[in-house]
Amino acid sequence: AQSVTQLDSQVPVFEEAPVELRCNYSSSVSVYLFWYVQYPNQGLQLLLKYLSGSTLVESINGFEAEFNKSQTSFHLRKPSVHISDTAEYFCAVYAGGTSYGKLTFGQGTILTVHP
Amino acid sequence: NAGVTQTPKFRVLKTGQSMTLLCAQDMNHEYMYWYRQDPGMGLRLIHYSVGEGTTAKGEVPDGYNVSRLKKQNFLLGLESAAPSQTSVYFCASSSTSGSDEQYFGPGTRLTVT
Repeated sequence: AQSVTQLDSQVPVFEEAPVELRCNYSSSVSVYLFWYVQYPNQGLQLLLKYLSGSTLVESINGFEAEFNKSQTSFHLRKPSVHISDTAEYFCAVYAGGTSYGKLTFGQGTILTVHP
Repeated sequence: NAGVTQTPKFRVLKTGQSMTLLCAQDMNHEYMYWYRQDPGMGLRLIHYSVGEGTTAKGEVPDGYNVSRLKKQNFLLGLESAAPSQTSVYFCASSSTSGSDEQYFGPGTRLTVT
């Protein structure tokens, strides 16, 4: 079975500051890794994903995440945040095989960007 | 394309009442999922379906039933609502490839008093 731990439930930062949201996972098989974002009163949207290849993946709005197999981590970073990045962020893993696309989600990290 | 839609958006039930939540997708996806979201617990899978006419239990299935009579629709039923089922419910759909993203609906906020 897989599990995902997001190490911070809330992260407050000031606008234009860098941010890191931490995610660790455990799995006995190779996994695909995802970050989803949920803006207030909306459903989740895919932010970025790691499937294979380069361990650094980027989103179109400046976020990046690095897959670290030895530390079983997939931390999300942004060098300079905007007010509009205020949202809840979820890390998720997919174990493949006969999992039928099922994702295991972390508990979520609420990012609040202050002016 | 509307993507994934959910009805209703909000609902208040009394303990013991029943209701059905409807999820519809127009992306011809085979897989569909029902999650519940509770503060500090992330999203937990209730039931899922890998195709028309099929359903399977997820992580927290007790107290819920589902049906997938048509490929585009996935219904979640509560036969006898309990206060512990107060939550936000999300439906999602995806293709058969695990590397593809899940597409989420806007959610249904359910309160059971």
